[in-house]
Order: sequence, then C-alpha cells, then structure tokens
Amino acid sequence: DAGVTQSPTHLIKTRGQHVTLRCSPISGHKSVSWYQQVLGQGPQFIFQYYEKEERGRGNFPDRFSARQFPNYSSELNVNALLLGDSALYLCASTWGPTGSNYGYTFGSGTRLTVV
Amino acid sequence: DAKTTQPPSMDCAEGRAANLPCNHSTISGNEYVYWYRQIHSQGPQYIIHGLKNNETNEMASLIITEDRKSSTLILPHATLRDTAVYYCIVRIDTNAGKSTFGDGTTLTVKP
Repeated sequence: DAGVTQSPTHLIKTRGQHVTLRCSPISGHKSVSWYQQVLGQGPQFIFQYYEKEERGRGNFPDRFSARQFPNYSSELNVNALLLGDSALYLCASTWGPTGSNYGYTFGSGTRLTVV
Repeated sequence: DAKTTQPPSMDCAEGRAANLPCNHSTISGNEYVYWYRQIHSQGPQYIIHGLKNNETNEMASLIITEDRKSSTLILPHATLRDTAVYYCIVRIDTNAGKSTFGDGTTLTVKP
C-alpha cells in the first residue's frame, strides 16, 4: 500500500509568489494534518481536516489556507511568500478525526525554498 | 497540550539499550504521551504511546512514572539505523493531529 504522498518534493519560489502543496493520504484515511518544519526545529501544526471540514488551525497567518477534497486529498496554499516560509511542509493522515491508537502517518514532505 | 522537556542530544553504543527521557510535569489526567522519531530528510514516524501503564511494541517500550510527570522511551538493542531525532509529545487523544512538536532529542548510535 502506498503511504502518504506529497508533491512536489522540492520547490523554489520567489518572495511574494503563491504556492500550492499537495497531499494524498493513505487509502481509507479521512483525516489530514499539515505541519511546517523549519530547519533545526520540530514540526509546527498548521491545519487539520477531517471529512472535508477544518478541525483545527495552528498559530499561522491568514496567508496560509488549506482544503480537503471528496477523495480526502488535500492542498495547502500559501500566499505572498516570505523568506521565513522556507521550510519542510509535512502532511500526515489517519483514519478518523482523533488519530486514536495508531498516531498519524507522515509523508516525506515538500521542501520549499523562498528566495 | 502540556509542555515537554527533552535533552537535546544523547549517544548510545550499538547493541545497547537507548533510554530517552522526557519530562511532562504539567500533564493532565486525560493526556497521552506519544513518541515519534524523525530520520534525516524523512517525515516523523510514530513509535508508541501510552496513558498510564507501561507499553511495549515491536519497536520500543514506554515507561511512564506513577505520577505521570515523566516517561522514558527504551530502544532495547539500538542499531545504527535508530540514529534520529526523537520527539515526546503530550496531548489529549481527541486533539490528535494538532500537536506541535518540541525540538526533540537527537540520538546518535555509535558503532
């Protein structure tokens, strides 16, 4: 079975541009979470979606938005990119709204570099 | 989520047990302790979690103190492939997926 897949794996953007990152959860998983990991730090929670509804939002500006599609895949959008948005963006999925006993399965991430 | 404190780095000899501590003195009664690890350039990997009792699975053992203010992740026979950053997270299970990870412990397994 395929794990959580994210695309693209690497991306370079210019300040002020917009970026869309994509995530496909494990088959059967209905919940997707997004994280930002700046170099040298642990992942920081951005969004959680379950059954296409936002279930949680971390402390990120409105430039960050996300959505979940009927097939449970998800997109993370970031507008007006800043140099500080350079990071590894991780997607994680699980079957239900709580993650329950098995935690979340993470993808390998998208490395975004803003220049 | 309760705050956790972990040592920034630890070394372990290959084949020996690796014991990674985590302090979570403000943990609430309904919060679970989760452990993840992140090998360089990969996403975090779930290892184990527990509420009160000690837990064991094929990867590791989790020892939680009786007052639940600290825990220890034990890798019984560390290998070079266990070199990674290990994160301890405390959260209410219904908030799973909303956790913010701390800086973790960098475990280096040496031959």
